[in-house]
Amino acid sequence: KNEVEQSPQNLTAQEGEFITINCSYSVGISALHWLQQHPGGGIVSLFMLSSGKKKHGRLIATINIQEKHSSLHITASHPRDSAVYICAGGMNRDDKIIFGKGTRLHILP
Amino acid sequence: DVKVTQSSRYLVKRTGEKVFLECVQDMDHENMFWYRQDPGLGLRLIYFSYDVKMKEKGDIPEGYSVSREKKERFSLILESASTNQTSMYLCASSPPGVTQYFGPGTRLLVL
Repeated sequence: KNEVEQSPQNLTAQEGEFITINCSYSVGISALHWLQQHPGGGIVSLFMLSSGKKKHGRLIATINIQEKHSSLHITASHPRDSAVYICAGGMNRDDKIIFGKGTRLHILP
Repeated sequence: DVKVTQSSRYLVKRTGEKVFLECVQDMDHENMFWYRQDPGLGLRLIYFSYDVKMKEKGDIPEGYSVSREKKERFSLILESASTNQTSMYLCASSPPGVTQYFGPGTRLLVL
């Protein structure tokens, strides 16, 4: 069964802390997506990666293909980073995506 | 910038009503998707379409149908709305093999 598992489900941290959200996925997933959803519903795609590491501002996404594991890091976290972060796996055979249940991040000022 | 728009942000309907949710994308993407998002369950795929007039069932198609008469427009239809279809509905589009772009979502309440 194709699966994407995220941890933790909820995370509260102080402003400035280094944040890590983890994602494990099953066989059959060829690319990993990280998405951000702010209160109100809109979803924004942060990264899509199939190997190595990508960086955008204070956000870094890494993937280890052998271990089928990806991490999203936020450096110098800020209250505006508070959102739900969703890991999603793109399938080998088609363009469908399987979503993790999300990590709710709350950064305290 | 890719733009995916959905016809309504909030919608209230009564049980038994026929409901249309419209999604339009402006980047000539082949793929379009309809998801629903519920607390504790994450996003679940209802239907998707790879091309005009093509549709494929997702994981939870029961109680829904779709229409794609034009490439830019993908409609989700609830033939007879029920209270268990109260949810957030998200549309997305993508070219093949590339990340999906999401619309702002429609929060549907069925009374």
